Amino acid sequence: GAGVSQTPSNKVTEKGKYVELRCDPISGHTALYWYRQSLGQGPEFLIYFQGTGAADDSGLPNDRFFAVRPEGSVSTLKIQRTERGDSAVYLCASSSDAQTGYSEQFFGPGTRLTVL
Amino acid sequence: DQQVKQNSPSLSVQEGRISILNCDYTNSMFDYFLWYKKYPAEGPTFLISISSIKDKNEDGRFTVFLNKSAKHLSLHIVPSQPGDSAVYFCAASARNSGYALNFGKGTSLLVTP
Repeated sequence: GAGVSQTPSNKVTEKGKYVELRCDPISGHTALYWYRQSLGQGPEFLIYFQGTGAADDSGLPNDRFFAVRPEGSVSTLKIQRTERGDSAVYLCASSSDAQTGYSEQFFGPGTRLTVL
Repeated sequence: DQQVKQNSPSLSVQEGRISILNCDYTNSMFDYFLWYKKYPAEGPTFLISISSIKDKNEDGRFTVFLNKSAKHLSLHIVPSQPGDSAVYFCAASARNSGYALNFGKGTSLLVTP
């Protein structure tokens, strides 16, 4: 079956521009996570959705970052006024349920964002 | 503040020998621990996990050990194979944060023939 997909795979933008990154989770997975991996670092948690609502957005670095999941499936991570420091690989993961106990998170291949 | 630490950025092991990757954590609320394997240009792939109520979990060539008092876990791979060469991430999670993963910086394992 299809895994987690992310589009685009690569995005190059200029400083100050707005970008949207898309994540298609595994069908039926209610939990969705966004992580960011900078060069030489491990993935860093950004935000977690349970269904349509953001259950934990404590990892978002500032108010330029926003994410939505309006129908409880596809999610979009939005970054306004991009800065060079936003350059990283943005990873999305989904799991079947995060409320009754740990369930495996399946990761997409990531979107590599480069801000020039 | 790095709550999960992998202090060895790289490790080289001969094929057939044991690989031991180490990880330390600071948050006592973590109750589930995982190891992920990552190849370039791919997302992390789940390898093995352990709940805080256990001290060992084994799956084929892979064994994870958890020492809660020391806040330390390790991954043993035996025997190591060249196909095991990858970056290995230790991760920890807590129920009260929806099991969002806190990752270490990773250890790059190279298994040489």
